[in-house]
Amino acid sequence: AQSVTQLGSHVSVSEGALVLLRCNYSSSVPPYLFWYVQYPNQGLQLLLKYTSAATLVKGINGFEAEFKKSETSFHLTKPSAHMSDAAEYFCAVSESSAGFQKLVFGTGTRLLVSP
Amino acid sequence: DAMVIQNPRYQVTQFGKPVTLSCSQTLNHNVMYWYQQKSSQAPKLLFHYYDKDFNNEADTPDNFQSRRPNTSFCFLDIRSPGLGDAAMYLCATSRDSRGRGNQPQHFGDGTRLSIL
Repeated sequence: AQSVTQLGSHVSVSEGALVLLRCNYSSSVPPYLFWYVQYPNQGLQLLLKYTSAATLVKGINGFEAEFKKSETSFHLTKPSAHMSDAAEYFCAVSESSAGFQKLVFGTGTRLLVSP
Repeated sequence: DAMVIQNPRYQVTQFGKPVTLSCSQTLNHNVMYWYQQKSSQAPKLLFHYYDKDFNNEADTPDNFQSRRPNTSFCFLDIRSPGLGDAAMYLCATSRDSRGRGNQPQHFGDGTRLSIL
């Protein structure tokens, strides 16, 4: 079965600093990978997805992620954190079968941004 | 804008009193999902509909049921809510992913259920 591991339940950065949220996956087949963000009392919003077309994926709000097969990683980065980036971030791998896509989520990383 | 709408945003019910949560979509997606998310945890898939075909996750309690009367609407029924069912319930939709496993899911803002 496919799985993802997110290292660090909480990450704290200062405004303007680099954001790095880690995600490692386990998959026996080429994976479909996603990053979602969840703001308090809201649903999940897609940040970006890996489609195998390119290893560096750009998403919304200045985020990007790099797929590294050799390291089985899909870490999320942003060069300069903004206060509005404070949220919960989930990495997910997709298991697709018979038209339905099952997302297997990591445990999430809460990003804290201080002034 | 096309979207996934959940009503109500907050629901309070009594222990053992049936409750229904609703979800509607304007995306015309044929797959709809219900997730349960407890505090500080990842969403947990309860079940999904592929068109009218209902698919239960193996560990979803019998207390949870769902109905999808048409493409746009899907309901989550909790027959006898217990204290452990207090959570955020998220509805999501996606396109048919056959051969295209990278179809993203689109989430509503959730219904937060409290049990008294």
